[in-house]
Amino acid sequence: DAMVIQNPRYQVTQFGKPVTLSCSQTLNHNVMYWYQQKSSQAPKLLFHYYDKDFNNEADTPDNFQSRRPNTSFCFLDIRSPGLGDAAMYLCATSGGGGGTDTQYFGPGTRLTVL
Amino acid sequence: AQSVTQLDSHVSVSEGTPVLLRCNYSSSYSPSLFWYVQHPNKGLQLLLKYTSAATLVKGINGFEAEFKKSETSFHLTKPSAHMSDAAEYFCVVSLNLFGNEKLTFGTGTRLTIIP
Repeated sequence: DAMVIQNPRYQVTQFGKPVTLSCSQTLNHNVMYWYQQKSSQAPKLLFHYYDKDFNNEADTPDNFQSRRPNTSFCFLDIRSPGLGDAAMYLCATSGGGGGTDTQYFGPGTRLTVL
Repeated sequence: AQSVTQLDSHVSVSEGTPVLLRCNYSSSYSPSLFWYVQHPNKGLQLLLKYTSAATLVKGINGFEAEFKKSETSFHLTKPSAHMSDAAEYFCVVSLNLFGNEKLTFGTGTRLTIIP
């Protein structure tokens, strides 16, 4: 089945230790998104890629970076995680063909910062 | 500008009784509207979407929603609740910018099903 896959599902890191979260998709979608979701809150968009074009939300901290080496993969790098970065990180994709497009979400990676 | 207001942060219903989750929206454009469900420690699953076609939208798992422009509402309903419906529900409005969908989420409604 075509889908959005996130690895790992659970990630534990130490304060200040860089961490990378992975997302892959078999939908061949042009657009990939990263969201941060803290406990009992709605998802918050961090950034997205339209093909190779990177679009950063204005309030996304510089501590968060992203890479998209090809259509299928997208990575979220947190350079120096703080305690406040503990959250669920959700990857999503959409076709990007214009009109009304649905975003398809992966299962998420829950990040714990010790 | 666009926004979504979910009128109830928590809803509790007994198993077998109807479910109503309320959502009001604001949008400068003709909106696309979605309902997503999130089970604990899981990603978001699309329940249904409205895209300016039929105003009554049927989704998965027996859910449906009605788009009412005059009331700027998009309430989610289900005739008979099941234990597996217990989850967080998000009403979402979409703005399409140059082919990129930017979603604005409501704050969510936690649905509890009483056995």
